[in-house]
Amino acid sequence: QVQLQESGPGLVKPSETLSLTCTVSGGSVSSGSYYWSWIRQPPGKGLEWIGYIYYSGSTNYNPSLKSRVTISVDTSKNQFSLKLSSVTAADTAVYYCARAPGDLPFDYWGQGTLVTVSS
Amino acid sequence: EIVLTQSPATLSLSPGERATLSCGASQSVSSSYLAWYQQKPGLAPRLLIYDASSRATGIPDRFSGSGSGTDFTLTISRLEPEDFAVYYCQQYGSSPPLTFGGGTKVEIK
Repeated sequence: QVQLQESGPGLVKPSETLSLTCTVSGGSVSSGSYYWSWIRQPPGKGLEWIGYIYYSGSTNYNPSLKSRVTISVDTSKNQFSLKLSSVTAADTAVYYCARAPGDLPFDYWGQGTLVTVSS
Repeated sequence: EIVLTQSPATLSLSPGERATLSCGASQSVSSSYLAWYQQKPGLAPRLLIYDASSRATGIPDRFSGSGSGTDFTLTISRLEPEDFAVYYCQQYGSSPPLTFGGGTKVEIK
């Protein structure tokens, strides 16, 4: 059974960089044709896809966030990570990591972690 | 970018009733790569339907999906108490960005 778990600071100051890590168990981030994504959900609002890293290491980001986002993978730790720079209050959200197999939607999700941007 | 519009925003129904949720796309969704998710408060979304009409593993057959092109529907044939939640559609077939609809809340009448 694949499990994903987000971790990172729950409070980030405006203009700083948000950093989160997703630890994958029960599967490998470097095997198979999987896309490993970050998705966020502001409180009381809908879902927004941030970007993904493919098992090969290639990335793709939402154009609305592209200038501020970096997603990377650490195969030795079976983790992938999100960095979002120059954050503002509008970046306050629950951040989820999720897996999508090939041409399929997200089948496994982490439980989500709330990140609040505030001084 | 494909914009997904869900309607209605809120659906007020009683247990045992039929729920029909709509998802409209601003352009055709290739290969019917359209998914539906259920989300309950404090939890991550759960995949219900993929490829517009295929049920995900373990999803009861009271959930069904239909549609193609720009118009898609999720039907819950008879609402159970645990089905009251928010439902999102998502397209994953076109070039990124992957996009979600704004959601439909199914609430108890």
